[in-house]
Amino acid sequence: TQLLEQSPQFLSIQEGENLTVYCNSSSVFSSLQWYRQEPGEGPVLLVTVVTGGEVKKLKRLTFQFGDARKDSSLHITAAQPGDTGLYLCAGPAGGTSYGKLTFGQGTILTVHP
Amino acid sequence: EAQVTQNPRYLITVTGKKLTVTCSQNMNHEYMSWYRQDPGLGLRQIYYSMNVEVTDKGDVPEGYKVSRKEKRNFPLILESPSPNQTSLYFCASSIGGPAYEQYFGPGTRLTVT
Repeated sequence: TQLLEQSPQFLSIQEGENLTVYCNSSSVFSSLQWYRQEPGEGPVLLVTVVTGGEVKKLKRLTFQFGDARKDSSLHITAAQPGDTGLYLCAGPAGGTSYGKLTFGQGTILTVHP
Repeated sequence: EAQVTQNPRYLITVTGKKLTVTCSQNMNHEYMSWYRQDPGLGLRQIYYSMNVEVTDKGDVPEGYKVSRKEKRNFPLILESPSPNQTSLYFCASSIGGPAYEQYFGPGTRLTVT
């Protein structure tokens, strides 16, 4: 089973601060997805990274896929209270487990005004 | 409106009483899957289906059954629920498989006493 380890598990910061969330594995993934989930709702896709070394920007959010495709990071610049939520990384299994999708444990982000 | 619907949204039941949680999508997606979400564990995949009549186990299939007789529906069956199946359940679908954007339903909160 391919595992994804997210860190930190909890993050509580003040509005305007920067933060980084990490998603690490000992396995190679063909791609990684980042989702955001708000209370009472299902996760919603933020971005998919596919190429090793790839960097994608979504307004104040920057996503990076490691060169070896074993890790990814999410960096938020000047966090706002609206960024509060649960952030999840996810990766598809390959080989004989094709069809499986593995999620990290999630990072609960709270941004205080 | 493109969506994934789940019913019921909330369910309290007793140990051993068979139940079914329905999931339906109107996007003609081939891939559907079920997850359970528990604090600190992220989303764990229960079962997935690559297409009609094609289902396979995820990481935590024990105690669950699924069927995929029609493309749009993917019910989750708990034949003899136990308290350790108390959780928040999500159904998701995507156009082609786990590497594609997953569209999640609103969740079903199940309590087994």
